[in-house]
Amino acid sequence: GENVEQHPSTLSVQEGDSAVIKCTYSDSASNYFPWYKQELGKRPQLIIDIRSNVGEKKDQRIAVTLNKTAKHFSLHITETQPEDSAVYFCAASRAGDDKIIFGKGTRLHILP
Amino acid sequence: EPEVTQTPSHQVTQMGQEVILRCVPISNHLYFYWYRQILGQKVEFLVSFYNNEISEKSEIFDDQFSVERPDGSNFTLKIRSTKLEDSAMYFCASSDYRVLGNQPQHFGDGTRLSIL
Repeated sequence: GENVEQHPSTLSVQEGDSAVIKCTYSDSASNYFPWYKQELGKRPQLIIDIRSNVGEKKDQRIAVTLNKTAKHFSLHITETQPEDSAVYFCAASRAGDDKIIFGKGTRLHILP
Repeated sequence: EPEVTQTPSHQVTQMGQEVILRCVPISNHLYFYWYRQILGQKVEFLVSFYNNEISEKSEIFDDQFSVERPDGSNFTLKIRSTKLEDSAMYFCASSDYRVLGNQPQHFGDGTRLSIL
């Protein structure tokens, strides 16, 4: 089955700097890759997603890139702000599959 | 913006007791899911539900688990005889009809289940 690896597990960046979180997946049939942000005690909140027919997608300060050949995808957050502090999960899913397979998460700390 | 709602927010139950977790998915969504997250770990898929039946389940979802859509709005997860290792945050999620490819899954705030 699908396995999603995510790193780093913890990331600290100065406010205003960029943060990059990287994930790899094992199943070449996966074609949908959502990213979730989870604040302490809250729900996982979908922040951006990308499908395998696209190499890059951007939404304001957040962008995601996908390399299907290498089976890896990354989340980029620019001009980080204190409210970006949270745990970020990457995930993968196959077409027609119901389940989303999550990575183990990255705890992002934005330092003042 | 419509949201998935879950009740209760926290459930404390004695080991061996039955527990029912409740969810109200987003009203026009057709796919419903349960996931769990053991403290400090990743979110794990349990089961999906579509057209009034289970469409997919994980190995975690054994005979002690069941799901039901008792009416047009609620979606429930029942654990028949709880074990200590069932202690976790349980998230309900829902997604819209799929035409081409998977649709985003929207999560509720979760129910923290504590088994004593």
